[in-house]
Amino acid sequence: DQQVKQNSPSLSVQEGRISILNCDYTNSMFDYFLWYKKYPAEGPTFLISISSIKDKNEDGRFTVFLNKSAKHLSLHIVPSQPGDSAVYFCAARADNQGGKLIFGQGTELSVKP
Amino acid sequence: EAGVAQSPRYKIIEKRQSVAFWCNPISGHATLYWYQQILGQGPKLLIQFQNNGVVDDSQLPKDRFSAERLKGVDSTLKIQPAKLEDSAVYLCASSLGPGGIYEQYFGPGTRLTVT
Repeated sequence: DQQVKQNSPSLSVQEGRISILNCDYTNSMFDYFLWYKKYPAEGPTFLISISSIKDKNEDGRFTVFLNKSAKHLSLHIVPSQPGDSAVYFCAARADNQGGKLIFGQGTELSVKP
Repeated sequence: EAGVAQSPRYKIIEKRQSVAFWCNPISGHATLYWYQQILGQGPKLLIQFQNNGVVDDSQLPKDRFSAERLKGVDSTLKIQPAKLEDSAVYLCASSLGPGGIYEQYFGPGTRLTVT
């Protein structure tokens, strides 16, 4: 039972354009959502998060949108840079589960110069 | 501030052998997590410690996997005996506490190959 799904395994974008990474979830008890970025041979690093009481959170070039009715969130990167090339994981957490993160499968983003 | 340390970084063993991984969390972090990441999938939580007590081990295959955090700091994860399907990256993460407000910091992982 995949509670968090990232249906696009890869995405290729031109430098300077917008990157949009998508994530769907099934568990309505999730109340906090996070995006992690992972470079090869490194552990995931936290990028941005959003609480279920909000529909948008912005941090510099990164914006996360949450649509609770559709159980869908997306990460927008504008403008995309070659250094953004990495695997991006969507993760969700239910507060009554002690911090346990449920991860999606990841989307590999490639930003081409 | 030093990050989460893990060793070894890489390990190759034959099936039915045993292996152990070590994790040193960020100083002062009470909560420690072990995740398994199989190629092409996201990390999956194996076990969560709060200090030296287990909070969640519901997805730990207890017939072959064991983990301990004796003094509430370092932790070891052991597999005995290993199976081919255990080939994965094992990630350790730590946070100041459990629950939604605390960010998890990940180590670089140990890549295990079982042949």
